[in-house]
Amino acid sequence: KQEVTQIPAALSVPEGENLVLNCSFTDSAIYNLQWFRQDPGKGLTSLLLIQSSQREQTSGRLNASLDKSSGRSTLYIAASQPGDSATYLCAVQQGAQKLVFGQGTRLTINP
Amino acid sequence: GAVVSQHPSWVICKSGTSVKIECRSLDFQATTMFWYRQFPKQSLMLMATSNEGSKATYEQGVEKDKFLINHASLTLSTLTVTSAHPEDSSFYICSAAPAMGTLFSNQPQHFGDGTRLSIL
Repeated sequence: KQEVTQIPAALSVPEGENLVLNCSFTDSAIYNLQWFRQDPGKGLTSLLLIQSSQREQTSGRLNASLDKSSGRSTLYIAASQPGDSATYLCAVQQGAQKLVFGQGTRLTINP
Repeated sequence: GAVVSQHPSWVICKSGTSVKIECRSLDFQATTMFWYRQFPKQSLMLMATSNEGSKATYEQGVEKDKFLINHASLTLSTLTVTSAHPEDSSFYICSAAPAMGTLFSNQPQHFGDGTRLSIL
């Protein structure tokens, strides 16, 4: 059974810092890995999707890497801003579009 | 971009009531939609996969008679929580991916904004 773990559970940093969020998964047989953002009481916004054959994806200040063999992914956020405060979830896709989620990292960027 | 609309966003009702939640894909067709449940400060747990024109597939431990799913068209799936009790209070979220002719599409899923269900 696939298990996804995110570390740390919560992170608080000053504005402007670069930061890294970590995600690990136990079964490397995945189709892709996605990083999502969830604001309080809201649904999910997809940030980046990395196919199993890829090693990284970039969108603006965000960069996600994937090491499928070791079951790890990182989300790098450059020059953090208060608006980046949210919970970040990673999820791996296995068969039939099923997503298995980690428990998330709650990020707070202090002005 | 692709949009998934979920309604209602918040519902409060008495124990024993049945509650229906709708999930619509607004600008794409979705043969498959997914229903998740999220308890406070926990992650999303897949409840069931909703298949257009056929029966839903439920995850282990999810009561199919309590959580009725109907996917009557390519743009609408509904989840009905029957005879809801306080322990059913949770945040329910649906998602959908554009139909690409295969269940193994690598297209990202798009999520609704969720429904907060509170049973008194």
